[in-house]
Amino acid sequence: NAGVIQTPRHKVTGKGQEATLWCEPISGHSAVFWYRQTIVQGLEFLTYFRNQAPIDDSGMPKERFSAQMPNQSHSTLKIQSTQPQDSAVYLCASSLRTGAYEQYFGPGTRLTVL
Amino acid sequence: GQGVEQPDNLMSVEGTFARVNCTYSTSGFNGLSWYQQREGHAPVFLSYVVLDGLKDSGHFSTFLSRSNGYSYLLLTELQIKDSASYLCAVRMPNYNVLYFGSGTKLTVEP
Repeated sequence: NAGVIQTPRHKVTGKGQEATLWCEPISGHSAVFWYRQTIVQGLEFLTYFRNQAPIDDSGMPKERFSAQMPNQSHSTLKIQSTQPQDSAVYLCASSLRTGAYEQYFGPGTRLTVL
Repeated sequence: GQGVEQPDNLMSVEGTFARVNCTYSTSGFNGLSWYQQREGHAPVFLSYVVLDGLKDSGHFSTFLSRSNGYSYLLLTELQIKDSASYLCAVRMPNYNVLYFGSGTKLTVEP
């Protein structure tokens, strides 16, 4: 069990560029979550998939952020026209099923927008 | 928004204990989880409580009072390696989304 895999581990973009972050959940886990962590705001919920279907994206900034889960083995978080305030560690987590209380986190992608 | 509050820092001494507090005011509640996060690493699940009272899990114990919107994580027989950030997270009904506090950085001194 390799755990949740996130790539890349570090990404640097220029202001206005696009960034795509990848997450591979633990095999067999049906729930996938995306979070963003900064020193100021802490760990914030962004969006959630269950069996690949988007369930709750209430934490997502609406204009430039989007997330997809095209198959059960990976999810992507795309940020268009990145801004310096998007700089953060983006964490992906998965859980065995919707009702499971333990979420397993990936190592995160540190995004730096210059 | 969902309010989950934790003190920023806590210091304690090796061999003693530390209590990490968490207060919450949220629109729903379906349990509270505690995670440990070391610098530069992902959060790791420690405990989950949904009923009032103390849940003893050895080195880590957790307490919950739903009427007061309060929980704490108690670490006993502290070791230097317990130095880390401890995050509490309220689990919401319906879709079980977690809302995290900002975390308490625990420093265990010799």
